[in-house]
Amino acid sequence: DTGVSQNPRHKITKRGQNVTFRCDPISEHNRLYWYRQTLGQGPEFLTYFQNEAQLEKSRLLSDRFSAERPKGSFSTLEIQRTEQGDSAMYLCASSAGGRTEAFFGQGTRLTVV
Amino acid sequence: GNSVTQMEGPVTLSEEAFLTINCTYTATGYPSLFWYVQYPGEGLQLLLKATKADDKGSNKGFEATYRKETTSFHLEKGSVQVSDSAVYFCALSNDYKLSFGAGTTVTVRA
Repeated sequence: DTGVSQNPRHKITKRGQNVTFRCDPISEHNRLYWYRQTLGQGPEFLTYFQNEAQLEKSRLLSDRFSAERPKGSFSTLEIQRTEQGDSAMYLCASSAGGRTEAFFGQGTRLTVV
Repeated sequence: GNSVTQMEGPVTLSEEAFLTINCTYTATGYPSLFWYVQYPGEGLQLLLKATKADDKGSNKGFEATYRKETTSFHLEKGSVQVSDSAVYFCALSNDYKLSFGAGTTVTVRA
């Protein structure tokens, strides 16, 4: 078990471009979460999947953001028409369900210039 | 809604000093409480947790007790080491999603 893997680790993009991040959860975990962390703040919940179903989306997730988890395995988070305010660390986590521990990946740091 | 307030940092200590980081919360129902740690260059790791009132979570010499009457979950360690330098996050969960505090940066000097 290699833990939660996120790619890329760093992404620099120009304002207005689209970006996509990938998260590979721990293989037997059916729950997958995306969080966003800005400098000096704790992570904020964005969205949550149970298997392939997206069960909750935060109000932080504007229409420019979309997340998928086809086949209930890896997940992608796409941001369209990026803005400077999207610059943040995007964290993925997975858990086995219920009130079990969530394991976090190392994150993808996005910088929009 | 759920919220977590934790002690502002940064906190700088000498090795072998006593560390306490205050954390209070607001939540509906009976949440589980967590402390996560983020070492430099690494991802968030669960340090300890408590799932009901009066439970004590402990790990790596750190302890925190779930106090429902004061809605608190303060983190303590009796003798810190340089390797404890990190950012510490208090968090709670009612079901599946975590609500985090802003984090407290701790630096331990030799």
